[in-house]
Amino acid sequence: DTGVSQDPRHKITKRGQNVTFRCDPISEHNRLYWYRQTLGQGPEFLTYFQNEAQLEKSRLLSDRFSAERPKGSFSTLEIQRTEQGDSAMYLCASSTTSGSWGNEQFFGPGTRLTVL
Amino acid sequence: SQKIEQNSEALNIQEGKTATLTCNYTNYSPAYLQWYRQDPGRGPVFLLLIRENEKEKRKERLKVTFDTTLKQSLFHITASQPADSATYLCALVSGYALNFGKGTSLLVTP
Repeated sequence: DTGVSQDPRHKITKRGQNVTFRCDPISEHNRLYWYRQTLGQGPEFLTYFQNEAQLEKSRLLSDRFSAERPKGSFSTLEIQRTEQGDSAMYLCASSTTSGSWGNEQFFGPGTRLTVL
Repeated sequence: SQKIEQNSEALNIQEGKTATLTCNYTNYSPAYLQWYRQDPGRGPVFLLLIRENEKEKRKERLKVTFDTTLKQSLFHITASQPADSATYLCALVSGYALNFGKGTSLLVTP
């Protein structure tokens, strides 16, 4: 396994269009997280899945955002009616449930979204 | 509200010196704290985790301290190298979320 992968790496879209990103976590990891990061800021938590269940969503995740993890493996993050303020790096991370909550998260390379 | 504050200024140090980065937090009662490294255009990479009952943790040239009374963690890189130049992020858990500080940019010059 080569780690967490994300696709696409870069996406340029026009305001108002819908975009979808994919994340493939490390295969044995049942926890999956989405984050958003803008320049000069740390990653901001968006949502968390344990297997296929979405257990937490940040208030940052407006109604235009939806995430799924249908079979508890890969996940998708969709943004509808994109706005220029959605321009950011979208990061996916995964971790195991073994041990305590202190397990490290493994991050993917991110998808850079630019909304024109 | 919960806050995580890291050195806002970039840290420039000379190769071979020790870099010390600070992470202060408010309105958290963390069971543990994590440090990550992030290079430009890449995702963060986990470095160290320290639990509330651990005062200090070491890994090779890295040392982390955790003072739950002061609500502060210090991250040290000894014998720093230019390859250590990156942004370093501290992170705390709240619910299922991992909350990050803004990070401190470290530049190690030869």
